[in-house]
Amino acid sequence: AQSVAQPEDQVNVAEGNPLTVKCTYSVSGNPYLFWYVQYPNRGLQFLLKYITGDNLVKGSYGFEAEFNKSQTSFHLKKPSALVSDSALYFCAADSNAGNNRKLIWGLGTSLAVNP
Amino acid sequence: DSGVTQTPKHLITATGQRVTLRCSPRSGDLSVYWYQQSLDQGLQFLIQYYNGEERAKGNILERFSAQQFPDLHSELNLSSLELGDSALYFCASSKLTEGMNEQFFGPGTRLTVL
Repeated sequence: AQSVAQPEDQVNVAEGNPLTVKCTYSVSGNPYLFWYVQYPNRGLQFLLKYITGDNLVKGSYGFEAEFNKSQTSFHLKKPSALVSDSALYFCAADSNAGNNRKLIWGLGTSLAVNP
Repeated sequence: DSGVTQTPKHLITATGQRVTLRCSPRSGDLSVYWYQQSLDQGLQFLIQYYNGEERAKGNILERFSAQQFPDLHSELNLSSLELGDSALYFCASSKLTEGMNEQFFGPGTRLTVL
């Protein structure tokens, strides 16, 4: 079965430190990969996506993600965390193949940035 | 503001009742998606419509149904409600149906079943 895993329920970092939120996927074909962020009491917002090409993708709010095909990973990174980055982060994958295609979502990782 | 609107924002009802949630996609978007978000089950994809036709189905219960109208707005109908249906229901839209297009989410409808 196709799946997306976010192995950490919660990530804590100090403001100013680099952050990484991990995502691995098990999806057939050459997947499209996404990161979304959800602030409290809000809908999800698109951050960035990988379709093809350069393995390092840059997105909104200074976030970037690195696609690693051999490790089937798409980790979200930011060089210097802000308190305002505290939110719930979701990784998602589209299999880019077959019928009944849909985004497969991870369970989310709660990021807490401490001042 | 994503451009996706959902009504109502909050809904409180009793078990056994039926409710309708409404979503208007961003201008120009043909695809509409419905999601359920609860504390114990995370974000669950329910169903997708594209230009009025059902395109993909997820973990949608038989008690739930949806449709997309000619003006592209969509409604999610939840019937014979149970306590466990209490959740945030999100609608999202995207330009096309191809998987490479990001989705834009509405603010959600919080459903409480008492």
